[in-house]
Amino acid sequence: AQSVTQPDARVTVSEGASLQLRCKYSYSGTPYLFWYVQYPRQGLQLLLKYYSGDPVVQGVNGFEAEFIKSNSSFHLRKASVHWSDSAVYFCAVTGYGNEKITFGAGTKLTIKP
Amino acid sequence: EAGVTQSPRYAVLQEGQAVSFWCDPISGHDTLYWYQQPRDQGPQLLVYFRDEAVIDNSQLPSDRFSAVRPKGTNSTLKIQSAKQGDTATYLCASGIANTEVFFGKGTRLTVV
Repeated sequence: AQSVTQPDARVTVSEGASLQLRCKYSYSGTPYLFWYVQYPRQGLQLLLKYYSGDPVVQGVNGFEAEFIKSNSSFHLRKASVHWSDSAVYFCAVTGYGNEKITFGAGTKLTIKP
Repeated sequence: EAGVTQSPRYAVLQEGQAVSFWCDPISGHDTLYWYQQPRDQGPQLLVYFRDEAVIDNSQLPSDRFSAVRPKGTNSTLKIQSAKQGDTATYLCASGIANTEVFFGKGTRLTVV
């Protein structure tokens, strides 16, 4: 079975501060990992993806994530957040030859002015 | 390139009523997914297709939910006899084998 755990349901940070959203996955083979963002009344939009290679992947709007195989983690980071980053962020996992994509419960990010 | 289109955007039903949701995926995408997203939760897979074939419907409540994709393009998800517990946003997504998927804006269903 495959699963994703996002241990923080809500995170609040000040504008301009750095950010880390945590993601732990469980997958028996080689994982493909994703971070999606969801704005109110919108579908999910892809921020970044990891298939293989460099464990640090860059995404849109200054986001990046690091795949740490030994820890089964794929945390999302941003050096300096903006008020427009307020949204819900979802981590997801699938794998080679597997079309089933499993999402975590999400982390709601609030940016304080 | 047009994205994934879903309709309607909103639906309000009384318990026991039926409803259908429609999804038009991105052209050329062979894989289509339906997810249920309860309020403040992550998307939970209901069913997915490759072309017109159902690949996995193990999480679809088969007694009241059904999904089809007859020509391998558009898809319809139907709920017969809706219950209050079906209140959620229903998301359609499409993709090409084993790459990222693209989501529609969803249909927000409220069952009263």
